[in-house]
Amino acid sequence: RKEVEQDPGPFNVPEGATVAFNCTYSNSASQSFFWYRQDCRKEPKLLMSVYSSGNEDGRFTAQLNRASQYISLLIRDSKLSDSATYLCVVISETTSGTYKYIFGTGTRLKVLA
Amino acid sequence: EAGVAQSPRYKIIEKRQSVAFWCNPISGHATLYWYQQILGQGPKLLIQFQNNGVVDDSQLPKDRFSAERLKGVDSTLKIQPAKLEDSAVYLCASSPRFLRGQNTGELFFGEGSRLTVL
Repeated sequence: RKEVEQDPGPFNVPEGATVAFNCTYSNSASQSFFWYRQDCRKEPKLLMSVYSSGNEDGRFTAQLNRASQYISLLIRDSKLSDSATYLCVVISETTSGTYKYIFGTGTRLKVLA
Repeated sequence: EAGVAQSPRYKIIEKRQSVAFWCNPISGHATLYWYQQILGQGPKLLIQFQNNGVVDDSQLPKDRFSAERLKGVDSTLKIQPAKLEDSAVYLCASSPRFLRGQNTGELFFGEGSRLTVL
């Protein structure tokens, strides 16, 4: 089983739609969680951190469910510019006491005019 | 503030040849990572440095890949000899040392080095 799993998509949605992505992780001791966005042929960039209490940034809402070991990203009122790949990232502590970032495969979103 | 610098941006080689990629992280960032991203997949960690020491190289194919960060600043990733399946984007990233609750934990990526092996 992969440490971080995502549905690769693609998700094709019309402008203005609401779309949700989920991600599951296998290590229950994982420390921190993020969503990164990656545009075609570009490097990944931080979109938002994910907290158990849920957090919102404009049209984007992220949620963490530790009991079920999944995180979610909700995008409301989708824009054409939201078309990208969304990467789920989990930070886990290693046996040597450092931290490593584990990326999911990414979920591709295409917003259609 | 200058971002993570990588070079070259693009490289085309034939199989069995060698190639080297260079990365200069953001000044002051203790941790440096090399990721391999194959088309359609998420980034896969190859090696992680804390200052000039290796903290994780469990997924580095050590028979052909090597990496160093001699002075705890810039780093070089080498592939020798290259195989067709090494065609990918090699992403370098850096971050301050992750301290839970004390920093964002954000990774800062360079633009990547795109390798094509023919």
